[in-house]
Amino acid sequence: DAGITQSPRYKITETGRQVTLMCHQTWSHSYMFWYRQDLGHGLRLIYYSAAADITDKGEVPDGYVVSRSKTENFPLTLESATRSQTSVYFCASSESLFSNTGELFFGEGSRLTVL
Amino acid sequence: AQSVTQLDSHVSVSEGTPVLLRCNYSSSYSPSLFWYVQHPNKGLQLLLKYTSAATLVKGINGFEAEFKKSETSFHLTKPSAHMSDAAEYFCVVTLTGNQFYFGTGTSLTVIP
Repeated sequence: DAGITQSPRYKITETGRQVTLMCHQTWSHSYMFWYRQDLGHGLRLIYYSAAADITDKGEVPDGYVVSRSKTENFPLTLESATRSQTSVYFCASSESLFSNTGELFFGEGSRLTVL
Repeated sequence: AQSVTQLDSHVSVSEGTPVLLRCNYSSSYSPSLFWYVQHPNKGLQLLLKYTSAATLVKGINGFEAEFKKSETSFHLTKPSAHMSDAAEYFCVVTLTGNQFYFGTGTSLTVIP
């Protein structure tokens, strides 16, 4: 199916463990993003990528690592999970950031609980 | 610098009555503006977008928004609320070639 898919949808882990959230898109969009959603904060950008092998920090990158070896995949890794990283994580993609074509397409989210 | 402010964190309306969700932005440049909707346990879906064409933008499911530069606003409206409109709504602003900035969201409750 065309679209953007995230896995796992739900994950419970313990403090200090490594966790990887996967994101796959089938449109060959250049831009991909990871956001976290927390009550009272809306969506905050963690990392984004303009193309394969090009990534950049967003508003809240500490404690996260990303890679983008292929255009369609953009995994997010928590190297040593902390309770403050309990959140819902959304992956998104966009064909362009330019005003007349840019819009974001979202996955359904990954709900992570760190105990 | 730019930011986006959603003026109400919660809005309740009765089914069949109008909906108004307010959004103000601050930007040094001409922005692009979006409204997204998020239903429970779902990702965000684009409702409509303003990209410097017509100031009154029509979106899906009967929603529309008007860009008012003098008021730096982009309020979302719908003439008659439906139960299926109950969701979280996000106002988003971006500059050309830059990031997307999200408001903190407005939760819409529709009372039968």
